[in-house]
Amino acid sequence: EAQVTQNPRYLITVTGKKLTVTCSQNMNHEYMSWYRQDPGLGLRQIYYSMNVEVTDKGDVPEGYKVSRKEKRNFPLILESPSPNQTSLYFCASSFGRAGAEAFFGQGTRLTVV
Amino acid sequence: AQSVTQLDSHVSVSEGTPVLLRCNYSSSYSPSLFWYVQHPNKGLQLLLKYTSAATLVKGINGFEAEFKKSETSFHLTKPSAHMSDAAEYFCVVSENFNKFYFGSGTKLNVK
Repeated sequence: EAQVTQNPRYLITVTGKKLTVTCSQNMNHEYMSWYRQDPGLGLRQIYYSMNVEVTDKGDVPEGYKVSRKEKRNFPLILESPSPNQTSLYFCASSFGRAGAEAFFGQGTRLTVV
Repeated sequence: AQSVTQLDSHVSVSEGTPVLLRCNYSSSYSPSLFWYVQHPNKGLQLLLKYTSAATLVKGINGFEAEFKKSETSFHLTKPSAHMSDAAEYFCVVSENFNKFYFGSGTKLNVK
């Protein structure tokens, strides 16, 4: 089954404790991205990657890092989480061409206390 | 620059009545347009997409949307709402393959 898999689904952590949210897709998509969803703001892009070893900032990259060492994986790293990073996070992937839709993971609900 | 405006943050309809969720966009080029649905505690599911073919696009679960270039609109409709349609709906615009611009969402309540 074609899917984007995120882990964990839920995470509560403390301020400053490094964490990684994993994302994996099995559709051989070139393009992957991370979004955060906050009430009333829709989804905002954090980082994206157009292929292995090619990443770039989205609209809200501060406080986040990513890497793309393999085509299928695109982890999101919070080196020193803060409470304003409490949010619902989505990973997405798509073929790198105009008109291709994005496929989304199930989401990771992160709470930073 | 692109932007997406969903004109209603909440829409409430009775079961069996029509649904209209409004979306306006701004785009410098010929955009691709999408509607996604998010049920509570779930990920986002594609309902339908427009990519410069027919202006009336049919999607899953009886939804459809009409692309109107002159009005820069892409409103989502369904003739008869069902209780299972209660969810949040997002209008999305993409000009190139590396970025999707989301509206702020419309929560649909079905009574």
